[in-house]
Amino acid sequence: KAGVTQTPRYLIKTRGQQVTLSCSPISGHRSVSWYQQTPGQGLQFLFEYFSETQRNKGNFPGRFSGRQFSNSRSEMNVSTLELGDSALYLCASSLDVEGMTGELFFGEGSRLTVL
Amino acid sequence: GDSVTQMEGPVTLSEEAFLTINCTYTATGYPSLFWYVQYPGEGLQLLLKATKADDKGSNKGFEATYRKETTSFHLEKGSVQVSDSAVYFCALNNNAGNMLTFGGGTRLMVKP
Repeated sequence: KAGVTQTPRYLIKTRGQQVTLSCSPISGHRSVSWYQQTPGQGLQFLFEYFSETQRNKGNFPGRFSGRQFSNSRSEMNVSTLELGDSALYLCASSLDVEGMTGELFFGEGSRLTVL
Repeated sequence: GDSVTQMEGPVTLSEEAFLTINCTYTATGYPSLFWYVQYPGEGLQLLLKATKADDKGSNKGFEATYRKETTSFHLEKGSVQVSDSAVYFCALNNNAGNMLTFGGGTRLMVKP
């Protein structure tokens, strides 16, 4: 069974640009979450999508947005990039059945560098 | 809001030593608690979990007990191996979805 796939794995952007990251969850998983990982702030929750609807949202500015498609694939977008957006962006999927809440399967991440 | 505090690393141990990584949390209600591990060059993966007070989660020789009275979920292993070298994250889930609040992570280095 294929794991969570994130693309691209690495990317470099300049301040002011925008970026779109993609995530393909494990087959059958309907919940997709996004996290930002940085050395200073650690792992921070961005948002979660379930059945194409945003179910939870973290404390990030409106420049960070996401969506989920009918096949459960998800994208996140960051507009007007700032230097502080440099981070590893992790996608996680979940089967989301009772008793398994919080059991996430993570991708290897997309490493964004903003120059 | 919810928060998770872990002991800072790195923690350096010799092979076969006893491991404890402390984790305490602040949360309303009754969260579920998790330990995730990130091996070098790999993605985060679930190590173990506990969903209610006094539950003990266990996997691969690691154990953690959900202590509501001390709001703690310390990770223990009786005999670590070099292959256990990784970053360990304590986390909690306190809502209807899959939003996790993570601790800062603790790097464990095990020397032969």
